Amino acid sequence: DQQVKQNSPSLSVQEGRISILNCDYTNSMFDYFLWYKKYPAEGPTFLISISSIKDKNEDGRFTVFLNKSAKHLSLHIVPSQPGDSAVYFCARTEGYNFNKFYFGSGTKLNVKP
Amino acid sequence: DAGVTQSPTHLIKTRGQHVTLRCSPISGHKSVSWYQQVLGQGPQFIFQYYEKEERGRGNFPDRFSARQFPNYSSELNVNALLLGDSALYLCASSFSPGGVQYFGPGTRLTVL
Repeated sequence: DQQVKQNSPSLSVQEGRISILNCDYTNSMFDYFLWYKKYPAEGPTFLISISSIKDKNEDGRFTVFLNKSAKHLSLHIVPSQPGDSAVYFCARTEGYNFNKFYFGSGTKLNVKP
Repeated sequence: DAGVTQSPTHLIKTRGQHVTLRCSPISGHKSVSWYQQVLGQGPQFIFQYYEKEERGRGNFPDRFSARQFPNYSSELNVNALLLGDSALYLCASSFSPGGVQYFGPGTRLTVL
């Protein structure tokens, strides 16, 4: 049962352009969604989150959009930088006190100089 | 401030053996979660502990168990290891069960 699905295993973008990472989810009620970034040999690092009562959340170059009718989540990175090259995971929480986290399979972003 | 630490970094075991993985949360964090990440997949939720009690459990067999100590550190135990248990095991801590989780670097377990 895949709670969250990232259908694009990889994405290549030119430096300075926009990166758009996508995620679809199922079985939503009142949930909380997050994006994590992972470099090789490191644990995932929290990037940005959004509550299901919102449509958009912005933090610097990172913006997350939530389309509840389509059950779709996206992360926009503008402008993309080579240091953004990493694997990006979307995640959602559920359960009492949102204590269960479900991660997608990840999208590997390569930002070319 | 130190982040989440995990030990050991790498581990090699044979089928049928038992393994214990350890995790120390960020100071002040009372919740610890464990995840298994198989190559090419995202982290899969195994357990969450808060204030030394199990608060959540993923779809893993009873061979997997965990506990949390009074200092909020945690151990993940896996009995009767199978080849399919080979993975990166990640520990994450948060201030509360629903809070943002901060991950450690993981323990790479190889079962031969």
